Amino acid sequence: QLQLQESGPGLVKPSETLSLTCTVSGGSISSTSYYWGWIRQPPGKGLEWIGSRYYSGSTYYNPSLKSRVTISVDTSKNQFSLKLSSVTASDTAVYYCGRQGGTTGWFYYFDFWGQGALVTVSS
Amino acid sequence: DIVMTQSPDSLAVSLGERATINCKSSQSVLYSSNNKNYLGWYQQKPGQPPKLLIYWASTRESGVPDRFSGSGSGTDFTLTISSLQAEDVAVYYCQQYYSSPITFGQGTRLEIK
Repeated sequence: QLQLQESGPGLVKPSETLSLTCTVSGGSISSTSYYWGWIRQPPGKGLEWIGSRYYSGSTYYNPSLKSRVTISVDTSKNQFSLKLSSVTASDTAVYYCGRQGGTTGWFYYFDFWGQGALVTVSS
Repeated sequence: DIVMTQSPDSLAVSLGERATINCKSSQSVLYSSNNKNYLGWYQQKPGQPPKLLIYWASTRESGVPDRFSGSGSGTDFTLTISSLQAEDVAVYYCQQYYSSPITFGQGTRLEIK
């Protein structure tokens, strides 16, 4: 059974960079059939897609965050990572990693999710 | 961006009764080349990640009880729970994956009456 687990600091200072890693077990992150993505959810609010990366390296970002976001993959560790720069209090949220089916240029629904990691932006 | 609007925002239904949640997209999510609607439904319980219920608007994910069903095409979609169970109390979200950025509805909170 595929499992995803987020890890990283739970507290980040304003203007600094938020960094999270998603470790994938029970499946290969190098699979040709999937994208690996990040979604966030501010406390008590709805879901916002951050971005997704294909095994080939193609990466798609939400334009609302694109200037501050980087998603990278480490196939040797079966992990993918999120970096969000210049954070403010409005970036406080639970951050989820997830797997999406897809093909070149198309990504689909999220069928597996991590449990989520709460990141608070505060000095 | 495609805006997803759900209705109602909250819903209270008696146990055993039918629950219906609507989702409307600001533009069609039907891809004519394969006649598929790029629309999914998720269930989120407190303190848990969202769980995929339905994809391609009407295909039930493996393991999801058959009391959950999805319907609709183009811009108007419905999630129906045919006979509400206590464990169905949750927030439900629709999501379009027709075009980037992926967008979600604002959520519908389902409670027991």
